Amino acid sequence: DGGITQSPKYLFRKEGQNVTLSCEQNLNHDAMYWYRQDPGQGLRLIYYSQIVNDFQKGDIAEGYSVSREKKESFPLTVTSAQKNPTAFYLCASSMAGTVNTEAFFGQGTRLTVV
Amino acid sequence: QQQVKQSPQSLIVQKGGISIINCAYENTAFDYFPWYQQFPGKGPALLIAIRPDVSEKKEGRFTISFNKSAKQFSLHIMDSQPGDSATYFCAASKGGFNKFYFGSGTKLNVKP
Repeated sequence: DGGITQSPKYLFRKEGQNVTLSCEQNLNHDAMYWYRQDPGQGLRLIYYSQIVNDFQKGDIAEGYSVSREKKESFPLTVTSAQKNPTAFYLCASSMAGTVNTEAFFGQGTRLTVV
Repeated sequence: QQQVKQSPQSLIVQKGGISIINCAYENTAFDYFPWYQQFPGKGPALLIAIRPDVSEKKEGRFTISFNKSAKQFSLHIMDSQPGDSATYFCAASKGGFNKFYFGSGTKLNVKP
């Protein structure tokens, strides 16, 4: 089955630690995205990538880093510089081209700082 | 600056009623307007989407109404069912790249 797999589903981080969230897709999509969701708020874009080895900052990139070494993988690292990392993180992918198309989302990773 | 504004924040509807969620946008360059449905603990899933060259799109019980001049679009859920209880997000994007701007979400509760 094609889709997006995020792992782990739940993640706990101690203050001062870096943690990496995994996102893998087998949809052969060129574009991938990371969004952050907080209670009562919409999804806010952290980083996005249109092609391998290239990515751009979204609206709230501070304290986060990404890499895109393979087409199917787009891991997100939440660094100790992110002051309020507790949130629900969503990875998405879509085809890239001249016409907008559906973005497919993973099931999310809930990160909690302990 | 919020690119897409969504209302209401929450909505309670009786089973069989009509649920209406509204969104407004500012950027006239937006050319793709999807609605996503999200159940608790899950990722959003595309429900229905519209492009600005049409004023309405219907899929089953779900209809998008689009008013280009007013820069507004809305989701209507006819004959609302308890299984429709979820959070709904409107979104907008432009050009050939799906950098979406999401509304803040509407939590819908359909009472049996």
